[in-house]
Amino acid sequence: KAGVTQTPRYLIKTRGQQVTLSCSPISGHRSVSWYQQTPGQGLQFLFEYFSETQRNKGNFPGRFSGRQFSNSRSEMNVSTLELGDSALYLCASSLGAGTYNEQFFGPGTRLTVL
Amino acid sequence: QQPVQSPQAVILREGEDAVINCSSSKALYSVHWYRQKHGEAPVFLMILLKGGEQKGHEKISASFNEKKQQSSLYLTASQLSYSGTYFCGTASTDSWGKLQFGAGTQVVVTP
Repeated sequence: KAGVTQTPRYLIKTRGQQVTLSCSPISGHRSVSWYQQTPGQGLQFLFEYFSETQRNKGNFPGRFSGRQFSNSRSEMNVSTLELGDSALYLCASSLGAGTYNEQFFGPGTRLTVL
Repeated sequence: QQPVQSPQAVILREGEDAVINCSSSKALYSVHWYRQKHGEAPVFLMILLKGGEQKGHEKISASFNEKKQQSSLYLTASQLSYSGTYFCGTASTDSWGKLQFGAGTQVVVTP
């Protein structure tokens, strides 16, 4: 069974630009969660999607948004990038709700904002 | 609110035991444990649910004290492969559906 894939693996952007990250979950998994990982803040929950609906959202500004498609693939968008958005963005998929089930993490997208 | 993990770091020799603790000020309904090796994605170890259900790998043991909102992960007879950063994630009843992770505990197992 193929694991969770994320594209691209690395991104370099400048302040003010926007970026879209993609996540393909494990086949059959309907839940996709997104996390931001930085050395100072650790793993921070961004949001969770289940069957194309955002079920939960973390404490991030509205510049961070996402969506999920009918095939469970998910995208995350960050608009008006700031230097502080530089981080590793991880997505994780699970069969059901992320807080009740094992989550499988993808390798992440390393975003650098200059 | 982020759970608190302790210790921040621990160095073990192969074969030694260690305990990693995770505590929250919130009423929890699940606690998750993950291990992340440098440059890799976090890997699932265990889930402990309110009511006593546990799901995880056989070689890993953990406990969840629902009254104290605390969980402990037990590394027994440690192996070199146990090295990495261990994260606990907690889901509380007042933040339904959100998994909040602790800052992590770095574990180094030496020969």
